Amino acid sequence: QSVLTQPPSVSGTPGQRVTISCSGSSSNIGINSVTWYQQLPGTAPTLLIYSNNKRPSGVPDRFSGSKSGTSASLAISGLQSGDEADYYCSTWHDSLNGPVFGGGTKLTVL
Amino acid sequence: EVQLVESGGGLVKPGESLRLSCAASGFTFSDYSMNWVRQAPGKGLEWVSSISTSSAYIYYADSVKGRFTVSRDNAKKSLFLQMNSLRDDDTAVYYCATENDPGEFDYWGQGTVVTVSS
Repeated sequence: QSVLTQPPSVSGTPGQRVTISCSGSSSNIGINSVTWYQQLPGTAPTLLIYSNNKRPSGVPDRFSGSKSGTSASLAISGLQSGDEADYYCSTWHDSLNGPVFGGGTKLTVL
Repeated sequence: EVQLVESGGGLVKPGESLRLSCAASGFTFSDYSMNWVRQAPGKGLEWVSSISTSSAYIYYADSVKGRFTVSRDNAKKSLFLQMNSLRDDDTAVYYCATENDPGEFDYWGQGTVVTVSS
């Protein structure tokens, strides 16, 4: 059971916009920023969004992040087949002195 | 180009030990806190351990505390994870990752596979 809750799967068609939710609590997302990672099949995770809504250089602006209260969302617009991947949210956990991850969401492009 | 290359994984029996290494290049290793994150087969990501730039601050997940020891050698640009008393549920791909801000891992290695099985 992950500390952060994500839907196990989402799907969309090419060109569509999809969102992935990440639900936490007042002790994690409520007081810390959220990070998102993309893990393409058979590869290591890569940083996708940091500080709730910032994109590292090289990440297309089709990817956007937001946070409100104890939840966060990742939105992907103009869906492409290459976006098929697992997406993980993460936030700092004070008592752990480390981050916690959501269970991951598998995105399928139909 | 930032590169992180893990090594040292393998097949071991429960109770045995293994030492993982992560060789860094392409950035100033001594400027970054480093972390180990693992992923069990078909499962999500789990943070394992972190070590600050000078090794002054070291933290572990509860699941590995007392069994795993993280260390680093800034002169050799290397990160290590000594894993003792391995259990079946330690089976996973182990990734090393740089930490830009607390909990934000901006670069990851390709991972090394650890399998614990009798």
